[in-house]
Amino acid sequence: AQTVTQSQPEMSVQEAETVTLSCTYDTSESDYYLFWYKQPPSRQMILVIRQEAYKQQNATENRFSVNFQKAAKSFSLKISDSQLGDAAMYFCAYGTISNFGNEKLTFGTGTRLTIIP
Amino acid sequence: DARVTQTPRDKVTEMGQEVTMRCQPILGHNTVFWYRQTMMQGLELLAYFRNRAPLDDSGMPKDRFSAEMPDATLATLKIQPSEPRDSAVYFCASGLFTSVHNEQFFGPGTRLTVL
Repeated sequence: AQTVTQSQPEMSVQEAETVTLSCTYDTSESDYYLFWYKQPPSRQMILVIRQEAYKQQNATENRFSVNFQKAAKSFSLKISDSQLGDAAMYFCAYGTISNFGNEKLTFGTGTRLTIIP
Repeated sequence: DARVTQTPRDKVTEMGQEVTMRCQPILGHNTVFWYRQTMMQGLELLAYFRNRAPLDDSGMPKDRFSAEMPDATLATLKIQPSEPRDSAVYFCASGLFTSVHNEQFFGPGTRLTVL
């Protein structure tokens, strides 16, 4: 079974600064997906960014980027130019692969990000 | 703007009562998931359906929980009888799974409190 570990229960960053959230995972599979989801106080789960394990290039989405280290089984999220709206719980998730694409998601325990004005 | 809808948003009930949570997946999506979020266990997959057929419900307590998809526009999660330990936020998610699509879209969740 896959496991996802987020070792930072809480993080804080000054507005406009950069912050990195850590995530490690354990799997015996060679192909899979990794995701970062954001959960603001509204509790809506919002996909921030995803990475296919077979791609060496790190995914980026505007101010969000990942550092994917497959051999180390590490998948960190970098948020640049932090904004007040980035304040939320961030969950790292592992997605299995099947003939129909990603299916089951295994989530980490989350990191609560606070933005300091 | 297509989105997953869930009802009710919040539910407070007493132990022993039946609870039904409903989910309307995004039109055209072929896969529906039910997750439970608690402080202690985090986000757990309870069950999921592909083209309305149950594929995996191994995460769901079988004695009191049941999940169904009466039609392509409705998924239900029932708890009977409910217990205080069932208090959690229950999320429904849907997705169109093909060789190129793999994103799950989450609903706003149902916060269940069992007294």
